[in-house]
Amino acid sequence: QQKVQQSPESLIVPEGGMASLNCTSSDRNVDYFWWYRQHSGKSPKMLMSIFSNGEKEEGRFTVHLNKASLHTSLHIRDSQPSDSALYLCAASMGGSALGRLHFGAGTQLIVIP
Amino acid sequence: DMKVTQMPRYLIKRMGENVLLECGQDMSHETMYWYRQDPGLGLQLIYISYDVDSNSEGDIPKGYRVSRKKREHFSLILDSAKTNQTSVYFCASSLGDTGQLYFGEGSKLTVL
Repeated sequence: QQKVQQSPESLIVPEGGMASLNCTSSDRNVDYFWWYRQHSGKSPKMLMSIFSNGEKEEGRFTVHLNKASLHTSLHIRDSQPSDSALYLCAASMGGSALGRLHFGAGTQLIVIP
Repeated sequence: DMKVTQMPRYLIKRMGENVLLECGQDMSHETMYWYRQDPGLGLQLIYISYDVDSNSEGDIPKGYRVSRKKREHFSLILDSAKTNQTSVYFCASSLGDTGQLYFGEGSKLTVL
């Protein structure tokens, strides 16, 4: 069973709309979360990281983290066709295991023009 | 420009043959990784290397081994490949254990 679960598996939003992606860890030792984006046929690239409870915003992208429930979400406002990609959530423990990322299966986002 | 380079990009092998996937990075990153990506499973960590000759098993190391003799170069070896090792393999590097990984473009391996 995967330690990191993402939902939904796929999401279709109209151009200009809001996309909301969810991620939960089943491992209570996890402390740190990342979001990576992978365009079709390309390599994953880090989008955002969040380590503390609350919210973090970068441009059109906002991530939330609730450490008590080990749940993070990524929200993309004013979605663009270029945002169409596989979004991967990753989690890790702290200390020497900080770099050992466990990835979820991803959410496939499709933005329709 | 920061770059992780993987070779070969595409490879077809028969079951039982040996496979060598190579990865290089030009950022002097200490930590390097090998992941495999399969549909519905996401990225699974095979091995992590903290520096030259300092390698550690990931979550799915069985059937794989690695070699790191130079900081900028990390190899993944499959001795006697199996059909269930058909996958896309990604190499990545990071500065220390930051969690910010830089991925190569992937190597697609098909084992017949």
